[in-house]
Formats: sequence, structure tokens, C-alpha cells
Amino acid sequence: AQKITQTQPGMFVQEKEAVTLDCTYDTSDPSYGLFWYKQPSSGEMIFLIYQGSYDQQNATEGRYSLNFQKARKSANLVISASQLGDSAMYFCAMREVQGAQKLVFGQGTRLTINP
Amino acid sequence: SQTIHQWPATLVQPVGSPLSLECTVEGTSNPNLYWYRQAAGRGLQLLFYSVGIGQISSEVPQNLSASRPQDRQFILSSKKLLLSDSGFYLCAWGRQGYSPLHFGNGTRLTVT
Repeated sequence: AQKITQTQPGMFVQEKEAVTLDCTYDTSDPSYGLFWYKQPSSGEMIFLIYQGSYDQQNATEGRYSLNFQKARKSANLVISASQLGDSAMYFCAMREVQGAQKLVFGQGTRLTINP
Repeated sequence: SQTIHQWPATLVQPVGSPLSLECTVEGTSNPNLYWYRQAAGRGLQLLFYSVGIGQISSEVPQNLSASRPQDRQFILSSKKLLLSDSGFYLCAWGRQGYSPLHFGNGTRLTVT
């Protein structure tokens, strides 16, 4: 069974600093996708970035990058130059690519950006 | 472009009353559809998923059921709500393969 672990319940960062949110995963499938979502206080789930298990390069999307270390089974999210609007819950998730292709979530990290 | 609609946004229901939450997707065909529940400050728990019309799989035995009467319509129901059914319910759709799931805006359900 797939499992996602986020060990940081909360993070506090000064505005404009970079922040790394940790995520480790466990799966026996050779093919999978890793995702990060942002959930602001309004509750919507906003897709940020994706990494495929066979991708050779780390994914980047604007200020977001995914530090993918396959051997360590980690997929950390790096946010550069943090902004006040980055304050939210962040969820790491894994999607199997067989069968129902369910998305399994970690427990999330609450990120607070201080001015 | 694809959009997903979920309603209502908030709902307060007494214990023992029925429930019906609806989710529809536009701009795509034969999507995989999912219902998740999120307890306060927690991660998302998958409740049901569907890979086609009339095909429903349940992840967690509970007081809820789901139906997919049309290709792009997914309904979450209960005949009698329990206090423990309170939570934030999110519908999502996704294509086959590595693509992300896209979520509706959610329904905040309070059972009193």
C-alpha cells in the first residue's frame, strides 16, 4: 500500500526566505506520480507541481520546485522567495498509475509566512 | 477547459436526516471521479471512486454511499446522518495516468 509522510505539522518562515517542506513516500509500484497541493483557508485544493517516478529532472513551476530523491523516496517542495500569500496548508500526495489511480495524501504541513 | 462544480458550499443538517451532495464535471469525458473527506486540520481521506458510469468503489465502510448516474456526475448520499459525518467533503476528477486530480471547492458539512 502507498503511504505519504509529512513530518512537519507546522513551519514558520520570514517573508522572502526560501522554505523546504518535507515529504517521504512508500510504494512498491515502479510507476507513480508525486504531487503537491496548496490549501488556503478557503478550503480549495490548488495543484502546484508534479513529478513522475521516471522523470530524470526535478520539476519546477515558477517559485516552486520539487526536490526528488528516488533512492531516498523523498519529494520535498521548495518555495523560493516566500510571500505572505504562501501561508496555507500544503499536502504531498502520490498517485498510482494502475487500477483506480487513487491519490493518497499526507497529513499536511501548515506554512505560515511572517512579514 | 475543464471545470468541476460542487454544491452546496456549506450545509448544516440534523442527526438522522438524509444527505445528497452533487458534483459535476464539464469539458471532459469518462473522467475518474473521487469523493474525499477532510477532518479539521487533517489530510484527505478517500471515500469513494468511480472509473465509469455505475462503477463505484468504496474505500472505507461507513454511513455514506455514492452513485454515478451519468458520465460526469457524482453524488454522495446518506440515508441518516451521524455526528461523525461532519467534515469537509471534496469531489475530484482526473484523467488516466500521471495527471493530477482537480478538486471542487468543497462542501463543509456540519451535523448537529
